[in-house]
Amino acid sequence: RKEVEQDPGPFNVPEGATVAFNCTYSNSASQSFFWYRQDCRKEPKLLMSVYSSGNEDGRFTAQLNRASQYISLLIRDSKLSDSATYLCVVIDNYGQNFVFGPGTRLSVLP
Amino acid sequence: EAQVTQNPRYLITVTGKKLTVTCSQNMNHEYMSWYRQDPGLGLRQIYYSMNVEVTDKGDVPEGYKVSRKEKRNFPLILESPSPNQTSLYFCASSPETSGRAYNEQFFGPGTRLTVL
Repeated sequence: RKEVEQDPGPFNVPEGATVAFNCTYSNSASQSFFWYRQDCRKEPKLLMSVYSSGNEDGRFTAQLNRASQYISLLIRDSKLSDSATYLCVVIDNYGQNFVFGPGTRLSVLP
Repeated sequence: EAQVTQNPRYLITVTGKKLTVTCSQNMNHEYMSWYRQDPGLGLRQIYYSMNVEVTDKGDVPEGYKVSRKEKRNFPLILESPSPNQTSLYFCASSPETSGRAYNEQFFGPGTRLTVL
């Protein structure tokens, strides 16, 4: 079983739609969690950290469920510019190893 | 401008010809890391370094070497490249806190390597 798993998609949604991605991780002692965004052929960039209490940044909401070992990302009112691959990232319990999920591809259609 | 730079950006080489991909950051970050990205497999960590002269293997270290003689530089060395090392490589850096890298990673622009 992979350490971090994501539905690869692609998710094709119309502008204005709400879309949710899930990510599961296998190491119950994992310490920190992030969502990164990667545009085609570009480097990944941090979208948001994921806190235990859940957190929101504009149209983006991240949730963490430690008991079920999953992380979610909700995007409201999708824009064309949201089209990208979204990577779930988990830092292991030693705080030194960043483990990336394979990514979920989102296409927002006009 | 705060950034991570990699060179070269594109490289085509032949099996067995030693090569080095350089990585440099100007943010005084302690933590640096190398990844390779392949279709369907995502980003996989090759090596990482918590500070100068401290390096550790990631998930896929075979066939690679690294060194960390200075804080700003973290070169990736392929002593004898093989076709299965054809990939997109990213260097990243992050500030370290109490021996742990809990923080955002900043990525370089990537190096696309083809080994024939």
